[in-house]
Amino acid sequence: DSGVTQTPKHLITATGQRVTLRCSPRSGDLSVYWYQQSLDQGLQFLIQYYNGEERAKGNILERFSAQQFPDLHSELNLSSLELGDSALYFCASSVGPGGTEAFFGQGTRLTVV
Amino acid sequence: GENVEQHPSTLSVQEGDSAVIKCTYSDSASNYFPWYKQELGKGPQLIIDIRSNVGEKKDQRIAVTLNKTAKHFSLHITETQPEDSAVYFCAASPNTGKLIFGQGTTLQVKP
Repeated sequence: DSGVTQTPKHLITATGQRVTLRCSPRSGDLSVYWYQQSLDQGLQFLIQYYNGEERAKGNILERFSAQQFPDLHSELNLSSLELGDSALYFCASSVGPGGTEAFFGQGTRLTVV
Repeated sequence: GENVEQHPSTLSVQEGDSAVIKCTYSDSASNYFPWYKQELGKGPQLIIDIRSNVGEKKDQRIAVTLNKTAKHFSLHITETQPEDSAVYFCAASPNTGKLIFGQGTTLQVKP
């Protein structure tokens, strides 16, 4: 167990809908990262928050947004969902902002039908 | 752009043999290189990492080597066991928070 908690584990929704994925980092970690894992794209960095502030951004779609709350948990919002958004979404956390020693959660499997 | 190439994509070894996975990165600013193991239905698990000021690091049966000049780094697993079977990912980071992952290597250890 990495100490990073993601909910829900599975999510099935229809195209055009909006969903929210939740992540609780390990105790003491200030950074939260979101990654998307699909069969053809591998693990792709989406976005990072450090102590409540956006720190780094990857190829995150405009339909996707995230935030980190004062208690350091984070949410990833995916809207206007398309079939191609079906993937595993992972959250990771680390103490510092540099991406080192990042520990991953179990992921949320999103299926868009 | 930023890219990490990982080879081979699949690797099958007999129990007790060694396994080597190789990665090449493109961004010369990269200074942190972790390796993750992902078992079916689970998230990636950090198994070892190395920073650019170190050429080699070992942890029991696992070792990682780094050649900054050639922009290569490798994972070595000795005395492989069936429980080592998983997908292994290398990654590189310029310490900006972003990890650039390789495409993964599926390792099968045959009993």
